[in-house]
Amino acid sequence: DTAVSQTPKYLVTQMGNDKSIKCEQNLGHDTMYWYKQDSKKFLKIMFSYNNKELIINETVPNRFSPKSPDKAHLNLHINSLELGDSAVYFCASSAPGGRETQYFGPGTRLLVL
Amino acid sequence: AQSVTQLDSQVPVFEEAPVELRCNYSSSVSVYLFWYVQYPNQGLQLLLKYLSGSTLVKGINGFEAEFNKSQTSFHLRKPSVHISDTAEYFCAVKFSGGYNKLIFGAGTRLAVHP
Repeated sequence: DTAVSQTPKYLVTQMGNDKSIKCEQNLGHDTMYWYKQDSKKFLKIMFSYNNKELIINETVPNRFSPKSPDKAHLNLHINSLELGDSAVYFCASSAPGGRETQYFGPGTRLLVL
Repeated sequence: AQSVTQLDSQVPVFEEAPVELRCNYSSSVSVYLFWYVQYPNQGLQLLLKYLSGSTLVKGINGFEAEFNKSQTSFHLRKPSVHISDTAEYFCAVKFSGGYNKLIFGAGTRLAVHP
């Protein structure tokens, strides 16, 4: 059973389009995250939700909008895609608390042409 | 400012040789420390973590790391590497009061050669 799953795995699209990435976890965790990994492999947090409430919102363009319909799902919607949005996007989840391990999904590889 | 530095972007090593991947952090508050591994085209997998207690932490796949508070370091070691250890390794830190935010180092590419 996949603990943290993401769809799609690959996403190729044109500039200006709108796209969504979905994430689901079956670990029973309350907290979920989105991270972006750029072409140099650098990982940076974008958002975090705890029990459907946004608790971390880093300096991310407002074209990116996370949505958490329930605590097992955290989706990422991106409007007006730009070339610089090309990256790998990772979803993660954890139990609440700083000592808890974050479990990562397999990633969604987004390429904007 | 709080930051994480991985001193080596690439580490080439021969199979069965020992390896150390270096990680330093900068913080004025207490920290939790993690090492993750990323195999090609895959997600991140936790190798080990330091929360408190013994400064020597053992993880999966024969890896271990030592927390050194005075040197603000958390170096990862393995006494004998395999070809299958070839991957990207990330040091990550949670700073106290940081809302569970993981701050990652830039990663170290471990390349094991036969």
